[in-house]
Amino acid sequence: EAGVTQFPSHSVIEKGQTVTLRCDPISGHDNLYWYRRVMGKEIKFLLHFVKESKQDESGMPNNRFLAERTGGTYSTLKVQPAELEDSGVYFCASSQEPGFSDTQYFGPGTRLTVL
Amino acid sequence: AQSVAQPEDQVNVAEGNPLTVKCTYSVSGNPYLFWYVQYPNRGLQFLLKYITGDNLVKGSYGFEAEFNKSQTSFHLKKPSALVSDSALYFCAVRDPGYSSASKIIFGSGTRLSIRP
Repeated sequence: EAGVTQFPSHSVIEKGQTVTLRCDPISGHDNLYWYRRVMGKEIKFLLHFVKESKQDESGMPNNRFLAERTGGTYSTLKVQPAELEDSGVYFCASSQEPGFSDTQYFGPGTRLTVL
Repeated sequence: AQSVAQPEDQVNVAEGNPLTVKCTYSVSGNPYLFWYVQYPNRGLQFLLKYITGDNLVKGSYGFEAEFNKSQTSFHLKKPSALVSDSALYFCAVRDPGYSSASKIIFGSGTRLSIRP
């Protein structure tokens, strides 16, 4: 069974440009999460989808970030316009079971560098 | 506020010796606790979790962790370290009683280095 995949693995853009990150969850997982790790600090939650609906987006830093999950399969995270402080590693995770004891399985991450 | 602390940025252990990676947490309710590992150029891999029941939890690659409610700790342990255990380890907590219970709260990570 394939794990969580993310594309691209690396992205280098200039300040003010737009970047779109993609996450493909494990097949059959209704729950999809986005996290990011900035400047080697803690990994922080961004948002949670259940199928195509945003269940919790309390971690989204500002309105430059837009996440979508059309059709309840893959998800995209768009940053527009990108700022220097957006640099970091963006992780996607998915889980199958409902409830809070479920295990979240993470992808390899997308390393975003904003110059 | 919910939080996780990993007091050691780096832990160095000789191969074959026991290892401990420390973690303490602060939540308002009963915690769900997790350990993840990140190998170089790889994503986060799930190691083990504590939900309820036996305080000693066994996970992948011979790792185990002990939940201690009185000390609010969830230290990761392994009886005999391998060089291949060298990686970045993250402790994490989920608080079902929290208004934003979807999210996992991570510690800052501990780099484990096993010398031959």
